[in-house]
Amino acid sequence: DAGVIQSPRHEVTEMGQEVTLRCKPISGHNSLFWYRQTMMRGLELLIYFNNNVPIDDSGMPEDRFSAKMPNASFSTLKIQPSEPRDSAVYFCASSLAPSYEQYFGPGTRLTVT
Amino acid sequence: AQSVSQHNHHVILSEAASLELGCNYSYGGTVNLFWYVQYPGQHLQLLLKYFSGDPLVKGIKGFEAEFIKSKFSFNLRKPSVQWSDTAEYFCAVMNRDDKIIFGKGTRLHILP
Repeated sequence: DAGVIQSPRHEVTEMGQEVTLRCKPISGHNSLFWYRQTMMRGLELLIYFNNNVPIDDSGMPEDRFSAKMPNASFSTLKIQPSEPRDSAVYFCASSLAPSYEQYFGPGTRLTVT
Repeated sequence: AQSVSQHNHHVILSEAASLELGCNYSYGGTVNLFWYVQYPGQHLQLLLKYFSGDPLVKGIKGFEAEFIKSKFSFNLRKPSVQWSDTAEYFCAVMNRDDKIIFGKGTRLHILP
């Protein structure tokens, strides 16, 4: 299995632009998680889906952030408009079920200038 | 609010020293417990997990953790560390409401 796939691996954008991060979970996994990692705040859970349905989005920082999972093999995290404080590494992870171990993708390093 | 506390933010040890990283959580119900490791420049990987049964759990690379329910703790241990163990270690707790919380992480630096 190829593992969790994220794209792009690096993204540099200007403040105010829309950013879309993509994730393909491991085939057969029913749960998908989006995290943000920064030096200041550590690893934060933004949102997670189970069977393509958002279960807990309490970690989404504000309305500028949105996430979708149109099918079992694809999810997006969108930031519109982006701000410099959104600069971070964004990880996607998937698991067989919410309470099982998670498999993390390589992350997307986002820099907003 | 539920939380996961990792007491040591940064630990420096010499090779062959013994390691114990603390993890405490605040949740009274049944939990699943995890330790993840993030090597420099890489993504998180599972070290070990506890769902039920023997509270002493053995993971990869010689790591183990002990679940002490009365202390709400799940400390990570390794009897003899190696330079290659330099990484950041995260404790995570999943409760029965399927809410997962990660600790802030502990940066471990092993001196050769």
